[in-house]
Amino acid sequence: DTEVTQTPKHLVMGMTNKKSLKCEQHMGHRAMYWYKQKAKKPPELMFVYSYEKLSINESVPSRFSPECPNSSLLNLHLHALQPEDSALYLCASSPRDRSYEQYFGPGTRLTVT
Amino acid sequence: DQQVKQNSPSLSVQEGRISILNCDYTNSMFDYFLWYKKYPAEGPTFLISISSIKDKNEDGRFTVFLNKSAKHLSLHIVPSQPGDSAVYFCAAINYNQGGKLIFGQGTELSVKP
Repeated sequence: DTEVTQTPKHLVMGMTNKKSLKCEQHMGHRAMYWYKQKAKKPPELMFVYSYEKLSINESVPSRFSPECPNSSLLNLHLHALQPEDSALYLCASSPRDRSYEQYFGPGTRLTVT
Repeated sequence: DQQVKQNSPSLSVQEGRISILNCDYTNSMFDYFLWYKKYPAEGPTFLISISSIKDKNEDGRFTVFLNKSAKHLSLHIVPSQPGDSAVYFCAAINYNQGGKLIFGQGTELSVKP
């Protein structure tokens, strides 16, 4: 199983809503990542979890709240988002022996109205 | 400060010929370089990587060349196939920075039958 899965595939939410994005991998990877990608731009790192602990937060606004309940799961909780937060949110994970290689999920297309 | 640059936003190649995608970087501390392929509305797919201590890595139709003195790497696809049409991102990582991938802006490859 070499797959990173993400749910939901699409999400539309209002600015007052609270929602969560979910990411799962069963490859035994111990590092997991959240990226944000706007149209025609490269992915931008948001958070890194290593061994279930937050190791990097790229100065992301607090309306984005990550959570790593266990080594296979990564969540991104969303609250009071702005329309400019609309983007493709990508989750990735990397293996212990080649932690520089990151494997991405299909992403969640988020639209904030 | 754009540390990883892909100066060609697009490239068109005939099926069966060689595709050469180029990438330049400025940070001499990068340990690994990676190439990803991305279809619209999907997450990036990992293709191939190269360590900064090597100058070539090959995997099937894909070969990556690294010229450290010029701070330049390239991805060769031989022979090119229509299914290779996608956006290709070059990325780099400094191992000591905890897994932060720095992406280039991407090159859209079109392989024509």
